[in-house]
Amino acid sequence: DSGVTQTPKHLITATGQRVTLRCSPRSGDLSVYWYQQSLDQGLQFLIQYYNGEERAKGNILERFSAQQFPDLHSELNLSSLELGDSALYFCASSVSGRLNTGELFFGEGSRLTVL
Amino acid sequence: DQQVKQNSPSLSVQEGRISILNCDYTNSMFDYFLWYKKYPAEGPTFLISISSIKDKNEDGRFTVFLNKSAKHLSLHIVPSQPGDSAVYFCAATGEGANNLFFGTGTRLTVIP
Repeated sequence: DSGVTQTPKHLITATGQRVTLRCSPRSGDLSVYWYQQSLDQGLQFLIQYYNGEERAKGNILERFSAQQFPDLHSELNLSSLELGDSALYFCASSVSGRLNTGELFFGEGSRLTVL
Repeated sequence: DQQVKQNSPSLSVQEGRISILNCDYTNSMFDYFLWYKKYPAEGPTFLISISSIKDKNEDGRFTVFLNKSAKHLSLHIVPSQPGDSAVYFCAATGEGANNLFFGTGTRLTVIP
């Protein structure tokens, strides 16, 4: 158990809909990262928050948005869903953001299926 | 553009033998390279890393080799055990960077 909690674990929805994925980081971790893993793809970095503020942005679509709340939990909002958005979405947390030491802990992921 | 590439989607080895997983990268600015292991229904977990100033790092049965001139790294697992069966992701980052760039993963199956 990494200590990072993601909900829901599975979600099935239709095209055009909007969903929210939730992440609770490890206790004490200030940084939250969101990654997307599509079929046969590596983990693609979407966005990072640090203590409530956006710190870095990756290949995140304009239809997607995220935020980190004062209690440090984070939500990833996906709107106007398309079939291609079907993927495993991972949240990860880090206390210092020093990624080179392997100090990045992943949740179990939220599997989104868009029909 | 995939900056970290794992060209072998899968690998099968016999228990007790050596497993060699390969990874190539294109960005010469990467300073650190990491391997993550992922079991089904779990998130990736950190396995081992190497700095670009080294060419080898060893941790028990796991050794990572880095060839900077070839922009290539490999993970050796000796001896392989059935519990090593998982998907292995190679990742890379730069000093102070806010992102890890991941490869597409290699599924290792260790046959008892």
